Amino acid sequence: GENVEQHPSTLSVQEGDSAVIKCTYSDSASNYFPWYKQELGKRPQLIIDIRSNVGEKKDQRIAVTLNKTAKHFSLHITETQPEDSAVYFCAASGSNYQLIWGAGTKLIIKP
Amino acid sequence: SQTIHQWPATLVQPVGSPLSLECTVEGTSNPNLYWYRQAAGRGLQLLFYSVGIGQISSEVPQNLSASRPQDRQFILSSKKLLLSDSGFYLCAWRAAGPGELFFGEGSRLTVL
Repeated sequence: GENVEQHPSTLSVQEGDSAVIKCTYSDSASNYFPWYKQELGKRPQLIIDIRSNVGEKKDQRIAVTLNKTAKHFSLHITETQPEDSAVYFCAASGSNYQLIWGAGTKLIIKP
Repeated sequence: SQTIHQWPATLVQPVGSPLSLECTVEGTSNPNLYWYRQAAGRGLQLLFYSVGIGQISSEVPQNLSASRPQDRQFILSSKKLLLSDSGFYLCAWRAAGPGELFFGEGSRLTVL
């Protein structure tokens, strides 16, 4: 079955710098790759997603890139701000479109 | 628009007591429904999912059970709670096929 690995587990960046979180997946049939942000004590919420027929997608300061050959996708956050501090989860669609989740990355924005 | 409601938001239960968490979705029909658990500082563990009334798939063997008595209602239960059942429980829904998963606000369970 599908397996998703996410790195790093913790990422600390200076405010204003960029942050990159990477995920790899194992099932070449996966075709949907969302990223969720979870603030402390809150529910996860979708911030951006990408489908396998697209290599890159941007939404303001957030972008996701997908390399189907290498089976990895990445989240890029530019010009980081204090409100970007959260835990970020990647996921990949497995069989029956069930999402297989990465273990999460705690992003810390240093002032 | 679609909304998801989950309750109670917080509960503290003694070991061995029963549990019932309820989730309802509005504004859509025949949603796929999910129960996740998140231990403190950890990731999302899928417990159960349902693609229709009375259809429940269990992902992890445990002392929990789930039921879907109506199309947009999903219930998580336990007859006897364990200390290890403590955590943040999240109900979620999505439409059929690949797409966004919408989470409820969560239920924080502490078993003492």
